[in-house]
Amino acid sequence: DAGITQSPRHKVTETGTPVTLRCHQTENHRYMYWYRQDPGHGLRLIHYSYGVKDTDKGEVSDGYSVSRSKTEDFLLTLESATSSQTSVYFCATSTGAKLASGNTIYFGEGSWLTVV
Amino acid sequence: DQQVKQNSPSLSVQEGRISILNCDYTNSMFDYFLWYKKYPAEGPTFLISISSIKDKNEDGRFTVFLNKSAKHLSLHIVPSQPGDSAVYFCAASVTGGGNKLTFGTGTQLKVEL
Repeated sequence: DAGITQSPRHKVTETGTPVTLRCHQTENHRYMYWYRQDPGHGLRLIHYSYGVKDTDKGEVSDGYSVSRSKTEDFLLTLESATSSQTSVYFCATSTGAKLASGNTIYFGEGSWLTVV
Repeated sequence: DQQVKQNSPSLSVQEGRISILNCDYTNSMFDYFLWYKKYPAEGPTFLISISSIKDKNEDGRFTVFLNKSAKHLSLHIVPSQPGDSAVYFCAASVTGGGNKLTFGTGTQLKVEL
């Protein structure tokens, strides 16, 4: 358990509206990630952060932006939500820089977003 | 282009028997592999991992085998229990790449009494 809290857990929004999902962690982990899960695709990386104000794009970043102003918070914003962004969003944190050194990646419980 | 593939969407096993979940990858740069278990309406939970310098890693009932030449890994669960019923995701990473994970599409395991 890496002390990851996602909010909101469930949200229904209209097409064209902005939406922000928040990920809060209590373990002071440097690396944080946003993934989305869709049927037939597994989990796909949207954006990730390797420190405060340091972020980079993942595999499916179009239509999303992120911000990390504090170590503990990583925000995912859909500037103008579309129906294709209906999905389950998972935040994750990494306990260290190198997985092979015994570190791992923990996931939050998910945020269910429906765009109508 | 799916770099990590789990070709079996579902698997059904009897309680007490062995469950074998398979995963194939195409990117030869992947050097660290993880398995996650996911229950409905919950986040993925880390299960076991293996580095490319090893061919086997064991943790209790769970063993992961890696065949680098075939770009194939498998997760063995022995003995299988009803509580193991979940979706299992294989994931791969490149060291030095920010710990970004590339996931397979998952295999739904059902352990029957």
